[in-house]
Amino acid sequence: DQQVKQNSPSLSVQEGRISILNCDYTNSMFDYFLWYKKYPAEGPTFLISISSIKDKNEDGRFTVFLNKSAKHLSLHIVPSQPGDSAVYFCAASAGGSYNTDKLIFGTGTRLQVFP
Amino acid sequence: NAGVTQTPKFQVLKTGQSMTLQCAQDMNHNSMYWYRQDPGMGLRLIYYSASEGTTDKGEVPNGYNVSRLNKREFSLRLESAAPSQTSVYFCASRARGLGELFFGEGSRLTVL
Repeated sequence: DQQVKQNSPSLSVQEGRISILNCDYTNSMFDYFLWYKKYPAEGPTFLISISSIKDKNEDGRFTVFLNKSAKHLSLHIVPSQPGDSAVYFCAASAGGSYNTDKLIFGTGTRLQVFP
Repeated sequence: NAGVTQTPKFQVLKTGQSMTLQCAQDMNHNSMYWYRQDPGMGLRLIYYSASEGTTDKGEVPNGYNVSRLNKREFSLRLESAAPSQTSVYFCASRARGLGELFFGEGSRLTVL
């Protein structure tokens, strides 16, 4: 039973345009969400997070939106750059931002940004 | 500043052999984790250690043991490797009070 779902295995976007990566979750106890980016042969690196008390968090070109009623979050990258080409993982926790000992990860979306 | 260091980066084992994956972090983090990544499965938690001296099972602990040797080091042991344990293993650490985990570069294990 996949509690965190990323239904799009891949996404292709032109450089300069917006990339939108989606994530759905089923556990209503999740209250803290993170996005990680992973390049081949490297470990995942933290990108941005959002607490369930917010519906938006922004960091430079990256914005995460949370829709609690729909149990859905999305990551927007504007403008997309070739260096953004990577696999993006959504993760969720039921312990708030202070306790993410049992993060549940989605299966990832491979983003390709082409010139 | 090395962050989270895993060794070895690659290993090939035969079914039934044992091995230990080593992990060390130099960020003075309290919590440490072992995840495995398989195609189409995302990252799944094997074991974690919330603080020095404690370890707990994650989502997929069967076939593994862990040791939190000290605050810096957290090892993962396969006592009798099986082909189903072929995977990429990631160690991670986290500072108390913060949500994000910092990951190592991964260890690719193949069990024949």
